[in-house]
Amino acid sequence: QKEVEQDPGPLSVPEGAIVSLNCTYSNSAFQYFMWYRQYSRKGPELLMYTYSSGNKEDGRFTAQVDKSSKYISLFIRDSQPSDSATYLCAIPPNSGNTPLVFGKGTRLSVIA
Amino acid sequence: DAMVIQNPRYQVTQFGKPVTLSCSQTLNHNVMYWYQQKSSQAPKLLFHYYDKDFNNEADTPDNFQSRRPNTSFCFLDIRSPGLGDAAMYLCATTLGGGSGANVLTFGAGSRLTVL
Repeated sequence: QKEVEQDPGPLSVPEGAIVSLNCTYSNSAFQYFMWYRQYSRKGPELLMYTYSSGNKEDGRFTAQVDKSSKYISLFIRDSQPSDSATYLCAIPPNSGNTPLVFGKGTRLSVIA
Repeated sequence: DAMVIQNPRYQVTQFGKPVTLSCSQTLNHNVMYWYQQKSSQAPKLLFHYYDKDFNNEADTPDNFQSRRPNTSFCFLDIRSPGLGDAAMYLCATTLGGGSGANVLTFGAGSRLTVL
């Protein structure tokens, strides 16, 4: 089993829809959970990160972690065409310098 | 603005012709990474440096080499590119050390085409 699993999509939604993006992970010791956004032909940029279980909200974006089921989610409310990008979940296996483990990324298209 | 800069953004090379990709950073971060990303795939870590300490991933082919002459610069050398090496190459940095989230700052990437 891979450490981080993410459905690559693609996912296409109409403008204004609520989007749900998800990842599962295998190691219960993971503590930090991140979401990166990658626009076409650009490098990933950090969108949000959370520590342990619970929710974190930033504008239209909400990150949710359920450690009991090893499941992380990113919700986008009132989605906009500018949200069209690939969303990658990323988890550091341990704290400090340990390289991140990335999911495959989900490609999202928001249609005006 | 402090940032991670990769050059060139687009590189076309012939099969077997060596290529060097560069990365510079003004963030004064200790850790630098090189990732390879193919279409619809997760970024795959090739190497990383903590200061001058070099860490090679076990499955990184010998065809790939890296140099970090100073804190600000890091290079990726592909000695004999094959068709399978066509990809986006991403450089990333992080401050390093201590506990907490390992937040990476990425460059815009260098897209390599092999003819």
